[in-house]
Amino acid sequence: GQQVMQIPQYQHVQEGEDFTTYCNSSTTLSNIQWYKQRPGGHPVFLIQLVKSGEVKKQKRLTFQFGEAKKNSSLHITATQTTDVGTYFCAGRRAAGNKLTFGGGTRVLVKP
Amino acid sequence: DAGVIQSPRHEVTEMGQEVTLRCKPISGHDYLFWYRQTMMRGLELLIYFNNNVPIDDSGMPEDRFSAKMPNASFSTLKIQPSEPRDSAVYFCASSLRQGGTEAFFGQGTRLTVV
Repeated sequence: GQQVMQIPQYQHVQEGEDFTTYCNSSTTLSNIQWYKQRPGGHPVFLIQLVKSGEVKKQKRLTFQFGEAKKNSSLHITATQTTDVGTYFCAGRRAAGNKLTFGGGTRVLVKP
Repeated sequence: DAGVIQSPRHEVTEMGQEVTLRCKPISGHDYLFWYRQTMMRGLELLIYFNNNVPIDDSGMPEDRFSAKMPNASFSTLKIQPSEPRDSAVYFCASSLRQGGTEAFFGQGTRLTVV
């Protein structure tokens, strides 16, 4: 079945630094979504990418969808303490309707 | 809209007991999903409904798990009998359509089976 892997599993970042988390699917995706879950909270939708090679920005967050539509990345610049949480990618295949979540990258920010 | 509403927020039960988790999706949403989250297995899709009809239940771990959606505004996830390995956070989510819109998650039910 479809598998979605995220690396790294944990990311310790110094406040003000940049970092990137990566998402890889075992199958070609129709689209990919990113969610953020704060500690003790629930996943909250951030963005959806649909087109091959698509790049979208939300303030300090930059999301990219790979040319082959099998991978994606989230880059955060100038990390702030408010960025703490777990970031999940979730992929959907064209042939099906399931939204499969990756294992998440848990981000800890050192002030 | 108040968002997706789940109850209870916390549930502690003894092994062997029946547990029922409840969910009220956002009004007008056609799709409803039940997810389970654990440290070991992450976020797993258990089952989803479209217009109250179960579409894919391949993620339901065992026959002890069952889900229903009697109408557009209510769904239940039942575990009978419950086991300690069922301890997890169970999320309900809804969306307008699965193919291209975001899923709105409820705040989850933290289930502990002792």
